[in-house]
Amino acid sequence: DAGITQSPRHKVTETGTPVTLRCHQTENHRYMYWYRQDPGHGLRLIHYSYGVKDTDKGEVSDGYSVSRSKTEDFLLTLESATSSQTSVYFCAIKGTGSTGELFFGEGSRLTVL
Amino acid sequence: EDQVTQSPEALRLQEGESSSLNCSYTVSGLRGLFWYRQDPGKGPEFLFTLYSAGEEKEKERLKATLTKKESFLHITAPKPEDSATYLCAVQRLGSGGYQKVTFGIGTKLQVIP
Repeated sequence: DAGITQSPRHKVTETGTPVTLRCHQTENHRYMYWYRQDPGHGLRLIHYSYGVKDTDKGEVSDGYSVSRSKTEDFLLTLESATSSQTSVYFCAIKGTGSTGELFFGEGSRLTVL
Repeated sequence: EDQVTQSPEALRLQEGESSSLNCSYTVSGLRGLFWYRQDPGKGPEFLFTLYSAGEEKEKERLKATLTKKESFLHITAPKPEDSATYLCAVQRLGSGGYQKVTFGIGTKLQVIP
């Protein structure tokens, strides 16, 4: 158990509203990631963080922003949600070993109507 | 552009019927190939990392192998609890020192009692 908690687990919202998803980890890992998973696509990286206040874009970052003010929390914000952002969002942390594997949270299912 | 293609998309096996899942990849400068298991409604769970052609890793009924162009996940005498989607991912060094990971869409395995 990598100690990752995502909230909320499920959310339904309307187009144009802001949404924030939270990822909380308990094991002080440096690297944290936000992915989205959609049918017909592999997991795609939205943003990642390599330390407090250190973040960078992934391959599908348009329409998303992130913040990391504490080691344990990584927030993903949709400033103005669109239907194309309906997806399952996964937070991940990078293991401390040399193998580079990722440990994922349980996911947050977001529906934008 | 990095590519990961998994086949078949879906596989249905009788309990005890051994088979293999394929992951073909195109990446420049492979830093690692990962296998994950994903149960419905859950986040991916790390299984193996392979680094170089010829390498093999085993865990219970699963064995992962790697060549220069593809990886196989062999499942020996599967049980119903092995039913899941199996994801393959490749890692390389991206711009700015970032470890870029590309996921395949996955193979959905169903093992019938």
